[in-house]
Amino acid sequence: TQLLEQSPQFLSIQEGENLTVYCNSSSVFSSLQWYRQEPGEGPVLLVTVVTGGEVKKLKRLTFQFGDARKDSSLHITAAQPGDTGLYLCAGVRQAGTALIFGKGTTLSVSS
Amino acid sequence: DAMVIQNPRYQVTQFGKPVTLSCSQTLNHNVMYWYQQKSSQAPKLLFHYYDKDFNNEADTPDNFQSRRPNTSFCFLDIRSPGLGDAAMYLCATSSYRGSYNEQFFGPGTRLTVL
Repeated sequence: TQLLEQSPQFLSIQEGENLTVYCNSSSVFSSLQWYRQEPGEGPVLLVTVVTGGEVKKLKRLTFQFGDARKDSSLHITAAQPGDTGLYLCAGVRQAGTALIFGKGTTLSVSS
Repeated sequence: DAMVIQNPRYQVTQFGKPVTLSCSQTLNHNVMYWYQQKSSQAPKLLFHYYDKDFNNEADTPDNFQSRRPNTSFCFLDIRSPGLGDAAMYLCATSSYRGSYNEQFFGPGTRLTVL
């Protein structure tokens, strides 16, 4: 059983389109993180959300944590080829415990 | 800049020939992790060190071992690599002072097994 369900698994879009990636669970998380991983590199932390209902923006990326802290979304506005990569959500159930990863979303943005 | 460094970036070994991957960090974080990642999949945690305390994941094969001689360095030893061990190996660190377990990853070592 996958504790964090991430969807879609693959996404291929044209430059300028908008997209949303979802990360869902039946369990409550104390915090949730989003990472982006470019081909051949390690994941890079984009954001951490900790409060139910929290919304954070990072340029064209908007991250939201669900009110019940069981789900999160990543919305990209006007996608660019530089956004191409593997997007991973990862959560912590309780402080000091292991990071649980979703399966990831592979995004390809073509010009 | 504070960072996580992995060497080598690419490693080719033969079936059954032991290999060691290295990781160093300048972040002074007390937790270090080793992950295995296969193509377009999420990283899979192999083990981690909390200071000198070693924590092995239940499903990590005995073929994989680790050493952490000091705070800055951590090694992954694969005693007898099989074809199925070909993957990207990621080292990560975190500070236990942070309750969110935010992890900082190195660039990874791509292991090829011939």
